[in-house]
Amino acid sequence: NAGVTQTPKFRVLKTGQSMTLLCAQDMNHEYMYWYRQDPGMGLRLIHYSVGEGTTAKGEVPDGYNVSRLKKQNFLLGLESAAPSQTSVYFCASRRQGFLYEQYFGPGTRLTVT
Amino acid sequence: LAKTTQPISMDSYEGQEVNITCSHNNIATNDYITWYQQFPSQGPRFIIQGYKTKVTNEVASLFIPADRKSSTLSLPRVSLSDTAVYYCLAEVGSGGSNYKLTFGKGTLLTVNP
Repeated sequence: NAGVTQTPKFRVLKTGQSMTLLCAQDMNHEYMYWYRQDPGMGLRLIHYSVGEGTTAKGEVPDGYNVSRLKKQNFLLGLESAAPSQTSVYFCASRRQGFLYEQYFGPGTRLTVT
Repeated sequence: LAKTTQPISMDSYEGQEVNITCSHNNIATNDYITWYQQFPSQGPRFIIQGYKTKVTNEVASLFIPADRKSSTLSLPRVSLSDTAVYYCLAEVGSGGSNYKLTFGKGTLLTVNP
């Protein structure tokens, strides 16, 4: 049982390049989330999904797209990376329903130059 | 959507009880609060959650007063290893179009010897 895994762990992009971050969970959770974490800003929700095939915008969705084609995977895409997207990205998942906690991945550190 | 506010930092000493308060407006009866702990270079991990009065587990207690405008995480007898950032999370609704969530910006707790 690996829990929540994120790929890659580190990445350096040049401005304008694109990339996809992969989040995978093996707990059969319905809900999945993508956050970014910046110094002094805490965790900010980018997008989330409450089930396979469904996604919704969070607090800071601009510049990102997501897809949830399979229940266990949640992909975060950057179509044209900008320096402002330099951050640590965390994925999380949880069971559907009341009073269930989120399980977080180890994070992806992304630098855009 | 509830906005969560918590102190930026707190200092304590080993063996003391530490209380961290999170203020959150517009919390409905069935909305709930979760607290997470985060160490450097790791994803947040669950501490405790609840939606009313008092909840206690093996590591912490959570107090939510009747007006539900705040919640307090209580850590009994902290040790050096409790030095970390603590986040409160307010979740509104249990799924569907009314589901929203917001993290506080985190409280850096430093435990001194």
